[in-house]
Amino acid sequence: AQSVTQPDIHITVSEGASLELRCNYSYGATPYLFWYVQSPGQGLQLLLKYFSGDTLVQGIKGFEAEFKRSQSSFNLRKPSVHWSDAAEYFCAVGRGKLIFGTGTRLQVFP
Amino acid sequence: DAGVIQSPRHEVTEMGQEVTLRCKPISGHDYLFWYRQTMMRGLELLIYFNNNVPIDDSGMPEDRFSAKMPNASFSTLKIQPSEPRDSAVYFCASSADSYEQYFGPGTRLTVT
Repeated sequence: AQSVTQPDIHITVSEGASLELRCNYSYGATPYLFWYVQSPGQGLQLLLKYFSGDTLVQGIKGFEAEFKRSQSSFNLRKPSVHWSDAAEYFCAVGRGKLIFGTGTRLQVFP
Repeated sequence: DAGVIQSPRHEVTEMGQEVTLRCKPISGHDYLFWYRQTMMRGLELLIYFNNNVPIDDSGMPEDRFSAKMPNASFSTLKIQPSEPRDSAVYFCASSADSYEQYFGPGTRLTVT
């Protein structure tokens, strides 16, 4: 069955600290992988995507993610978090019909 | 480009009433998706269209829900009759290639 698991429901970090949000997937074919961010009361914004090629992908707002086929993972990283990064982050997999994880809520302390 | 436009942004209605949610996709995008977001079930795909034709409606919860796309620039999601368990945020998204999806701001529906 196709699925996405985001094991961390809530993460709190200090501003300036590094960040890693975990995502594991189960997908029958070569996965197309995405990270979206949702600020309160807003829609989802695409941060980055992986289709093929270089397994380290760069996105907007200084985020990057690494695709590891052997671990079925697509973790999101940022070297230095800003207070404005506080939001909910969703990992998704699919081609057309996207399957979303349950999200990770990021809180940033000054 | 204005992005995906959804209306209304908020809707409060009584159980049994008909509700119509509207979406205008990004111009030139051939794919349109309707999602529902709830605390219990997260983000679920309800239905998606390609070139105005419904491709997959397996996520539509029951016959009370219907979606149409009469032309490339407009889609509706209708719930008739509405029930309290339909309370959720409904998102519309569009895509040029079905992969990169651009989401609208959502419609928060409350059914009392």
